[in-house]
Amino acid sequence: GNSVTQMEGPVTLSEEAFLTINCTYTATGYPSLFWYVQYPGEGLQLLLKATKADDKGSNKGFEATYRKETTSFHLEKGSVQVSDSAVYFCALRGNQGGKLIFGQGTELSVKP
Amino acid sequence: EPEVTQTPSHQVTQMGQEVILRCVPISNHLYFYWYRQILGQKVEFLVSFYNNEISEKSEIFDDQFSVERPDGSNFTLKIRSTKLEDSAMYFCASGQDSHTNEQFFGPGTRLTVL
Repeated sequence: GNSVTQMEGPVTLSEEAFLTINCTYTATGYPSLFWYVQYPGEGLQLLLKATKADDKGSNKGFEATYRKETTSFHLEKGSVQVSDSAVYFCALRGNQGGKLIFGQGTELSVKP
Repeated sequence: EPEVTQTPSHQVTQMGQEVILRCVPISNHLYFYWYRQILGQKVEFLVSFYNNEISEKSEIFDDQFSVERPDGSNFTLKIRSTKLEDSAMYFCASGQDSHTNEQFFGPGTRLTVL
C-alpha cells in the first residue's frame, strides 16, 4: 500500500541555517504530495503541495520538488527563523483521491 | 478566512463512556474527514464522508466509531464505549474535492480516556 517515510527528528538548527527534511514515498500511479506544518498547540496547516512529477511547491521560503525518479519530496529552506520551529509532516494522496497518508513528522527547533 | 472549527478543545472521559466530538467544516466543502494522532505518533486516517455516507474507513474505525452530519453544518465523530487507547488528538478536515485540492484541518480535540 501507499506509505510515506520522513527523516527522524528532532532537528535542531541555528537561525539562518539551511534546512532539509527528507521525505520519500511509496505509491502506485501518480499521487499528489503535500507538506503540512503543525505549530505548538495548533492544528495542521498546509505549507505547500505538488500534484505532478517535477512540480515545485513553494511557500514562505520553503520549497519541495516532486521527484518521481527518486520517489522523493524533500522540504528545503535557505535560511530558517526561530518562528519556523514546528513539526513538519510529509503526506500523499493517492490516485483515487480521498485520504491523506502522513509520514511520522519531523520536529524542527530553531535556536537564536 | 473560512476555517474548520472543532469542539471541545479538550475532553476528559472515563473508560466505557460515550463521547461525541464535533466539527464545523468550511461551508462550501463537500468532503469530510476524521484523523487522529496518538501522542508522539503519526497522524492516522480514520474515515472519509461524502454525500451523506462513509466513502472510506480505516481498520481503526471499528464498530465503536460512527460519524454523522446531522444538520448540514456539523460533522460529528462518536465513540460509543471509549478505551484507554482511544486517547489521542482528533482532527477534523474538509475539502472541496477529493483529489488535488488541499484538506483544511481544524485545531483538534484532545481526548483523554481515564
